[in-house]
Order: sequence, then C-alpha cells, then structure tokens
Amino acid sequence: KAGVTQTPRYLIKTRGQQVTLSCSPISGHRSVSWYQQTPGQGLQFLFEYFSETQRNKGNFPGRFSGRQFSNSRSEMNVSTLELGDSALYLCASSLAVHGMNTEAFFGQGTRLTVV
Amino acid sequence: AQSVTQLGSHVSVSEGALVLLRCNYSSSVPPYLFWYVQYPNQGLQLLLKYTTGATLVKGINGFEAEFKKSETSFHLTKPSAHMSDAAEYFCAVSEVTGAGSYQLTFGKGTKLSVIP
Repeated sequence: KAGVTQTPRYLIKTRGQQVTLSCSPISGHRSVSWYQQTPGQGLQFLFEYFSETQRNKGNFPGRFSGRQFSNSRSEMNVSTLELGDSALYLCASSLAVHGMNTEAFFGQGTRLTVV
Repeated sequence: AQSVTQLGSHVSVSEGALVLLRCNYSSSVPPYLFWYVQYPNQGLQLLLKYTTGATLVKGINGFEAEFKKSETSFHLTKPSAHMSDAAEYFCAVSEVTGAGSYQLTFGKGTKLSVIP
C-alpha cells in the first residue's frame, strides 16, 4: 500500500509570493491533517479535512488555507509569504471518523524556504 | 487544551545501554498517546500508541512505553540502544474536538544520540 505522498519535497520562494503544497493520502483514508514544523515552535497543527470539509483549524493567520478534493487529496496554500513561514510542512492521513482516534500516517514533508 | 512535556531536548546513550525518553502530558479526559520517530529530512513514523487496555505498550524496533495515569506519564524505553536509533523522538496526545475532528499535540521532541 502506498504511503502518504507530499509534493514537492523542496521549495524556495520569495517573500510576498504564494505557494501551494500537495498531499495524497493513503488509499481509503478520508482524513487529512497538516502540521508545520519549525526549530523554534516545534510541530503545530494547521488544519484537518474530512470528506472535503475543514473540521478543525489551528491558530494560524488567514494566509494559511487548504482544501480537500473528492478523491481525498489535499492542498494547502500560503499567501503573501513571510520569512517566518520557512518550515517543514507535514501532511498526515488517517481513517479517523467521528473523532475515533486512529493513528496518523505522515508523509515525508515539504521543506519550504522563504528568502 | 492538552499539552505534552518531554524532559530533555537531547539525550546521549552508549550503544547497548538502556534508552529512556520521558514524556508527561496534561489531559482532562482519558488520553490517546503516541510516540513518533523522525530521521533527518524525513516525516514522522509511528513507534507505538496507547488507546485503552494494557498500559504497557510494545512498538516497533524494540521500543515500549508504559502509560501511568497517576503520574500522567508515558515514558519510552528500549533495553539496548543501537546506532540506528539515533533520531528525534516526539511524544503526542490526541485531542478530539467538538466537530468530531481530532488533532495531535506534540512535545518539543528529544534528540537521541547513540555513542559507539
């Protein structure tokens, strides 16, 4: 079974630009979550999608947005990039349904560098 | 909100020695607890999880953890360290939200070094 696939693996963007990251979950998983990992703040929850609906959102500004498609693939977008957005962005997929705590499977991440 | 504290941002052990990584959590409801490992430039891999039932949980690569409710702890251990265990380890607690969603709250991580 293929794991969680994130593309691209590495990105370099300039301040003020926008970026779109993609995540393909494990087949059959309908829940996709996104996390930001930085040396200073550690791993922080961005948002969770289930069946194309955002069910939960972390404490991030509106520049961070996402969506999920009918095939469960998800994208996240960051507009008006700032230097502080440089981070490893991790996507996780899960069978979680109605709050069941099934485990999350993570992709390898997208390393975003803002210059 | 739940929180996770990992004691020690860096831990060094000799090859063959006991590995002990500490994790304490705060939770107002029975927690679901996880340990993940991250190798450089990689994502997170699940080592083990506690949901309900037996409090001693065995995971992959010889790791195990014990849930102690009275101490609000979920420490990770391995009897004998291997060079390949050098990585960063994250303890996490799962929180269910009112919308039926869930999110993982992570500790800051512990970098494990294994000395030959």
